[in-house]
Amino acid sequence: QTVVTQEPSLTVSPGGTVTLTCASSTGAVTSASYANWFQQKPGQAPRALIYSTGNRHSWTPARFSGSLLGGRAALTLSGVQPEDEADYYCLLYYGPAPWVFGGGTKLTVL
Amino acid sequence: QVQLQESGPGLMKPSETLSLTCSVSGGSITNFYWTWIRQPPGKGLEWIGYIYYTGGTDYSPSLKSRVTISVDTSTNQFSLNLTSVTPADTAVYYCARASDIWGTDYWGQGILVTVSS
Repeated sequence: QTVVTQEPSLTVSPGGTVTLTCASSTGAVTSASYANWFQQKPGQAPRALIYSTGNRHSWTPARFSGSLLGGRAALTLSGVQPEDEADYYCLLYYGPAPWVFGGGTKLTVL
Repeated sequence: QVQLQESGPGLMKPSETLSLTCSVSGGSITNFYWTWIRQPPGKGLEWIGYIYYTGGTDYSPSLKSRVTISVDTSTNQFSLNLTSVTPADTAVYYCARASDIWGTDYWGQGILVTVSS
């Protein structure tokens, strides 16, 4: 059973920069995993932020960026805003299946 | 604007079969993967499976024996069946659209399904 691991929680100051990562139990995450990132606020459905590792959706603010970092997928928030406080999930695609979500990172802006 | 809307029962008894439908509006059902994802209360997201518009499917290994996903392109709907539910299947169930190009992009608002005797 493939396990995708994220930091359980992170704290960042308003205006700061923070990087969330997504690691795979099968080895290094590559562009072939087509990493997706999602933001979820309490009581809401997840909202897609990043697809195929580093591509922003049309609605995604420019302060969100995706990349590969040290064998992991990474989501970097630059110039963090209070409204960025949320849970963040990565999703990795392993061939046709399975698709596996990370456990999520709770981001606190303080 | 693509919109997805889940529908189905909110309360079920153990051993029953869960049936949910996702209605897609504002876009075609063709050329996409239509997926189901769930989230137990207070926990993370779990991928259940998908159906491609042509009918091909793939499921999570942990749920494969109990899950069936189907699609009706004439009504722009797709459905989830989960057999022999237990309280561990209590979750918010989301439907979502995915593609090779844009990943998993549009989500429904989710429907809470509670399994309790």
